[in-house]
Amino acid sequence: DGGITQSPKYLFRKEGQNVTLSCEQNLNHDAMYWYRQDPGQGLRLIYYSQIVNDFQKGDIAEGYSVSREKKESFPLTVTSAQKNPTAFYLCASSVTSGRRDTQYFGPGTRLTVL
Amino acid sequence: DQQVKQNSPSLSVQEGRISILNCDYTNSMFDYFLWYKKYPAEGPTFLISISSIKDKNEDGRFTVFLNKSAKHLSLHIVPSQPGDSAVYFCAASRVSGTYKYIFGTGTRLKVLA
Repeated sequence: DGGITQSPKYLFRKEGQNVTLSCEQNLNHDAMYWYRQDPGQGLRLIYYSQIVNDFQKGDIAEGYSVSREKKESFPLTVTSAQKNPTAFYLCASSVTSGRRDTQYFGPGTRLTVL
Repeated sequence: DQQVKQNSPSLSVQEGRISILNCDYTNSMFDYFLWYKKYPAEGPTFLISISSIKDKNEDGRFTVFLNKSAKHLSLHIVPSQPGDSAVYFCAASRVSGTYKYIFGTGTRLKVLA
């Protein structure tokens, strides 16, 4: 069963702590993405990776970091520098980074900073 | 600057009737558009797309219409079913871009039984 998994589904963090969100895909997709969704807003791109060992900043990369050491995995670290980290985080992948390659989304992780 | 706008945050429709969800965009460089459907606490799922060389694309109960001169697209769902109740996002991508989708803010559709 191919798909994208994100873990955990819910995550709580104390202010000042870094936290890493997991994203794994077994679709053999080259491109992977991280989005953030806030209430009443659309999805905003944090980082994307077109291929292993390469990644680029999206529109709201400040306070976040990523790595892409394996094709299947694209973890996102929310650092203490992120001023408002409480949000719903979505990971996506596509066959390539071509704009007509449909992006498929994981189930999301809801991060709450206490 | 919101380049993709969904001005109706919510919409209620009776089961069996037509649901029409609207989306406006400001950037004339957008030439590929998509609709995603999202249930609470889940990731969005792809629904339907349209290229700017077309003005209509149909897939079962879902039809997307594109009016380039008005920079407007709409998603029609006929007939609407209770399972269609979800948040619908439109997204657009640019001629010059490769990866990037710009998403609207979403419209919450409620189909009443």
